[in-house]
Amino acid sequence: GAVVSQHPSWVICKSGTSVKIECRSLDFQATTMFWYRQFPKQSLMLMATSNEGSKATYEQGVEKDKFLINHASLTLSTLTVTSAHPEDSSFYICSARASREAFFGQGTRLTVV
Amino acid sequence: GESVGLHLPTLSVQEGDNSIINCAYSNSASDYFIWYKQESGKGPQFIIDIRSNMDKRQGQRVTVLLNKTVKHLSLQIAATQPGDSAVYFCAENMKGGSEKLVFGKGMKLTVNP
Repeated sequence: GAVVSQHPSWVICKSGTSVKIECRSLDFQATTMFWYRQFPKQSLMLMATSNEGSKATYEQGVEKDKFLINHASLTLSTLTVTSAHPEDSSFYICSARASREAFFGQGTRLTVV
Repeated sequence: GESVGLHLPTLSVQEGDNSIINCAYSNSASDYFIWYKQESGKGPQFIIDIRSNMDKRQGQRVTVLLNKTVKHLSLQIAATQPGDSAVYFCAENMKGGSEKLVFGKGMKLTVNP
């Protein structure tokens, strides 16, 4: 299947700093990418849908000014967690869609201290 | 047996048994459904999918059943192996302004040797 690469796989940052997570589709072009957040022992919660060349669509309750999404090319979407706080600590997962199938990155474990 | 806690419900089976994992989806207009397997610290891995115009689909050792009347999906794993131990999620393709993949609650499967 298609490969989606997410980087970094884990990051520790201080409160108040910003963190950028990259999601790349390596062998296909993805017009749509999705960003999810997953807390321990819970399901994946959709945060936003990222469309190449346009603004992201955020799910209800997700702060667009805190979670900045950029989808500048057909193979790259980035999620920036701005002014991170300990409650932002979570597992962030991206997904890229090729027709119907969705392929997932390996996830990024963010710890804010 | 199956147990339900505050978060992920769990299912414990013996190696060689058949496992059935159930999922209720939310949107009667969803037209495509996927089962994913997630191992600890990793992104979801595609297992099998089914379109809404079908009620059964078989793969290698896995079968997905779809009951649109009650909005229910199930994943059957034949001859369960220790390597099948993971968390399993169903996801539905929600149609609307833009299509998005929304995950169900998930179930943790533990296979005892």
